[in-house]
Amino acid sequence: DIQMTQSPSSLSASVGDRVTITCRASQSISGYLNWYQQKPGNAPKLLIYTASSLQSGVPSRFSGSGSGTDFFLTISSLQPEDFATYYCQQSYSTPWTFGQGTKVEIK
Amino acid sequence: EVQLVESGGGLVQPGRSLRLSCAASGFTFDDHAMHWVRQAPGKGLEWVSGIGWNSGNIDYADSVKGRFTISRDNAENSLYLQMNSLRTEDTAFYYCAKDSTSHGSGAFDIWGQGTMVTVSS
Repeated sequence: DIQMTQSPSSLSASVGDRVTITCRASQSISGYLNWYQQKPGNAPKLLIYTASSLQSGVPSRFSGSGSGTDFFLTISSLQPEDFATYYCQQSYSTPWTFGQGTKVEIK
Repeated sequence: EVQLVESGGGLVQPGRSLRLSCAASGFTFDDHAMHWVRQAPGKGLEWVSGIGWNSGNIDYADSVKGRFTISRDNAENSLYLQMNSLRTEDTAFYYCAKDSTSHGSGAFDIWGQGTMVTVSS
């Protein structure tokens, strides 16, 4: 199985900050990497698919990059509604696996 | 409006069975693969099982293989998960999720709100 490791596990940031979350795969997954946002009590929401494609309806302050084993989710200017937990997930091969999550909290 | 609504969760004793359902609306159900993803309380996400548009391409996580069975009824726009021989470690919110493709790309673009399964004596 492909293991996904996110860093950091949590971070504190202020509104307006630029935030970057890293996701590393245990083997190359080409560009088959997706990012999800989950707020407390809610289901996850797809933000980015195939590493850098923005899902319809997602604000342009979210962007994704990377390929192979190293991937990044960047929020260019953190907004109050962005405080949540973010998960990466590989869609290269089954079983589809997720990172452990990165919780973005208010500083 | 695209919507997935799960049902069938509850409290069940270890070793017993439970069947989850997911009702889909607002999109062409038989154009998409579907999945079940679970989340134990306070923990991360774990993909459980997926099924292609025509009930082909069925796959399971090792943790549930041989105990859980995924199925779908395209005429009823419904997805199911039959869970047998339940264990305490199966306790979780179970989400139904729509795949962005028909065969199963592994990108989950629509999620239901989930149904809670608690396995306890």
